[in-house]
Amino acid sequence: SQQGEEDPQALSIQEGENATMNCSYKTSINNLQWYRQNSGRGLVHLILIRSNEREKHSGRLRVTLDTSKKSSSLLITASRAADTASYFCGAGGTSYGKLTFGQGTILTVHP
Amino acid sequence: NAGVTQTPKFQVLKTGQSMTLQCAQDMNHEYMSWYRQDPGMGLRLIHYSVGAGITDQGEVPNGYNVSRSTTEDFPLRLLSAAPSQTSVYFCASSYLTSGRGTGELFFGEGSRLTVL
Repeated sequence: SQQGEEDPQALSIQEGENATMNCSYKTSINNLQWYRQNSGRGLVHLILIRSNEREKHSGRLRVTLDTSKKSSSLLITASRAADTASYFCGAGGTSYGKLTFGQGTILTVHP
Repeated sequence: NAGVTQTPKFQVLKTGQSMTLQCAQDMNHEYMSWYRQDPGMGLRLIHYSVGAGITDQGEVPNGYNVSRSTTEDFPLRLLSAAPSQTSVYFCASSYLTSGRGTGELFFGEGSRLTVL
């Protein structure tokens, strides 16, 4: 079964608004990673947060991790139309190679 | 810097045919993996490798074989293609962290396979 599960499945917002996506996972992790996928393209890494970290920032991105609840959230502030894409969380297990993904959140940002 | 290169980008097969999807990376990454992406299913891990000569199964390994004879290459073989293997396949590579984790993945652009 898949480790990372994103919520919501789809999110539609206006430019300038913030977008929040959530991820839940099932077993212990080494790290949790967020990726973006534009239509018809490969995934692109956005941010990695280690299991001993609680919050991380990168530009307009803010990621939080709550290991007690086995959950993470990705916040995109001041969204732009160019942020329209699918976003995936990848839960990295404690043994090499077990990075598993959920179904993703489809984000649509309207100009 | 090419990153992760997948070939072919598109392929149509008939049921029962075999083929190999190629994946090469030029970043000297120890870790390489194959995923398939299907609508509504997200990405599912097929096989992965943590170094030359070392491979292991992921979530959905049946019907696929892999080998890792060099650090750079990680081909995925479909032994006898079935319509259920119609999907988009992604190869990804990464470094391994000191804490037994996998670092950020670098993905190829995907190989779109249709099995008739």
